[in-house]
Amino acid sequence: GEDVEQSLFLSVREGDSSVINCTYTDSSSTYLYWYKQEPGAGLQLLTYIFSNMDMKQDQRLTVLLNKKDKHLSLRIADTQTGDSAIYFCGVSSNTGKLIFGQGTTLQVKP
Amino acid sequence: GAVVSQHPSRVICKSGTSVKIECRSLDFQATTMFWYRQFPKQSLMLMATSNEGSKATYEQGVEKDKFLINHASLTLSTLTVTSAHPEDSSFYICSASTPQEISDTQYFGPGTRLTVL
Repeated sequence: GEDVEQSLFLSVREGDSSVINCTYTDSSSTYLYWYKQEPGAGLQLLTYIFSNMDMKQDQRLTVLLNKKDKHLSLRIADTQTGDSAIYFCGVSSNTGKLIFGQGTTLQVKP
Repeated sequence: GAVVSQHPSRVICKSGTSVKIECRSLDFQATTMFWYRQFPKQSLMLMATSNEGSKATYEQGVEKDKFLINHASLTLSTLTVTSAHPEDSSFYICSASTPQEISDTQYFGPGTRLTVL
């Protein structure tokens, strides 16, 4: 089945860019998502990218997709302390389910 | 748009009792709703997928008689944890998707923290 991997932790300084990476195994995945989870809360959809796209930008967020390498990344420009959270990569499967990575904890230091 | 609510946000119950958690899509019709469970510092584990008007499809290892799911309308799904035990304590999150969106994007509720004493 589909396997989605993320690094567990990333620490950056306020104002720097953050890059969170994700790799997956199922090349037939159609949509790939990034969600943000703050402590004690549900998942907030940040953005998603269709598999025939290489890049998508939405304000401070840039998503890059390398379909050949099955690699997805989320870049947050000018990272703020309010960006501290857990970020989940989610990959659609052919069953309609979402397969999530383990989540990357982003720590933003002032 | 695409707001999903859950109720209650937090519940504490005694061992052996049943607890019902509601998941509502507030501004869209959700033909499919998903129920997840999340343990501390872990990812989400899909428990079941429910389609309006039909029986839920449970993931392997999830007891359907223990976790009863009902999706009676296009805006409401419920999860009932029957005869709860301390090991059922967890964070339960629902999500909803609509066929009106090509992407099948799932919109998540805020979660329900269940503590079984």
